[in-house]
Amino acid sequence: DGGITQSPKYLFRKEGQNVTLSCEQNLNHDAMYWYRQDPGQGLRLIYYSQIVNDFQKGDIAEGYSVSREKKESFPLTVTSAQKNPTAFYLCASSIGRGTSLETQYFGPGTRLLVL
Amino acid sequence: EDQVTQSPEALRLQEGESSSLNCSYTVSGLRGLFWYRQDPGKGPEFLFTLYSAGEEKEKERLKATLTKKESFLHITAPKPEDSATYLCAVRNNAGKSTFGDGTTLTVKP
Repeated sequence: DGGITQSPKYLFRKEGQNVTLSCEQNLNHDAMYWYRQDPGQGLRLIYYSQIVNDFQKGDIAEGYSVSREKKESFPLTVTSAQKNPTAFYLCASSIGRGTSLETQYFGPGTRLLVL
Repeated sequence: EDQVTQSPEALRLQEGESSSLNCSYTVSGLRGLFWYRQDPGKGPEFLFTLYSAGEEKEKERLKATLTKKESFLHITAPKPEDSATYLCAVRNNAGKSTFGDGTTLTVKP
């Protein structure tokens, strides 16, 4: 089955700890995205990547880091510098920029909680 | 700065009672307007993409329309399984997407 997978479904972070959220896609999409969703709010863009080995900051990148070493994978690290990390994190992918086919498809999400 | 405002925040309908959700937007060069459905604790599920004013798309009981300032998601004879949060998003000329806060729809049997 083609799609986007995220793991884990739930993640607990202790004070001062870095945690990494996984996102994998087998849709052969070039572009991948990370969003944060807080209760009752829309999605806010953290980072995005249009191609392998390249990524750009979104609106709320502070306290987060990403890598894009493979086309299929776009892991997000929530660092200790992110003081309010509790949220629902969503990964998405799209065929690529510069085309009319820019619909983003989302994974099931990871809920991050602080202990 | 691009902006998306969805109204109402919450909508409660009886089964079979048709209604519409609104998405008002301002954007620097519209490259697409997207509608998603999101169930609690899950990722958004893609519904429609609209590219230009006057465009309409339908899927089962849902119909999306687009003008230069807003989009409507019309729900005809809704069923309880249509209960969800519906998200609207716009994509601008720079390829950046902006999402609204969503409308939470509850359909009572």
